[in-house]
Amino acid sequence: AQTVTQSQPEMSVQEAETVTLSCTYDTSESDYYLFWYKQPPSRQMILVIRQEAYKQQNATENRFSVNFQKAAKSFSLKISDSQLGDAAMYFCAYVKEPRNYGGSQGNLIFGKGTKLSVKP
Amino acid sequence: DTGVSQDPRHKITKRGQNVTFRCDPISEHNRLYWYRQTLGQGPEFLTYFQNEAQLEKSRLLSDRFSAERPKGSFSTLEIQRTEQGDSAMYLCASSSPGQRWRSSGANVLTFGAGSRLTVL
Repeated sequence: AQTVTQSQPEMSVQEAETVTLSCTYDTSESDYYLFWYKQPPSRQMILVIRQEAYKQQNATENRFSVNFQKAAKSFSLKISDSQLGDAAMYFCAYVKEPRNYGGSQGNLIFGKGTKLSVKP
Repeated sequence: DTGVSQDPRHKITKRGQNVTFRCDPISEHNRLYWYRQTLGQGPEFLTYFQNEAQLEKSRLLSDRFSAERPKGSFSTLEIQRTEQGDSAMYLCASSSPGQRWRSSGANVLTFGAGSRLTVL
């Protein structure tokens, strides 16, 4: 069975500094997607960044980037120039690519999350 | 379009009572998902609809749980004879299949703010 592990329950970063959140996963699949979701306190979960396993290039979205190491099954998130608004729970998630065209990605598997605090 | 809406945001009930949650997805999204999130955990998949058809159900969805999406638009999640262990945040998400599975926006889930259930 696929699993997602986030080994850092809590992290803290100084405003304007850089922080890296860790995620490892276990799968026997070769085609899959990885995601980082952000969940601010009492607010909805939003997608931060996604990575397709078939792509060797690491995904980037403005201040957010990932370090995807497929062989090591590692998928870390780097937040540069941290801002107060980055404080939230961050969840790493995995889904395998469906066998058929247009198939669902219903069974998204999440890690337990990392709580990020940003100090002013 | 105001995103994915969930109602109520918070429900407090006594053990043994029935509760129902409603989710209104983004209008052009034909896929709808229910997840459960307990304290300190990541979301866990419960069930998935494509239009009105319920295509996947998790083993977490006991026979006290039932989900419907009668017209392929909004969905309801009913929990009968609630137990204290049902206390959790119930998250709804929706997505569209996109033109291709590997297109940039395909199958990205948009989450609602959740419905928090407290069973006394």
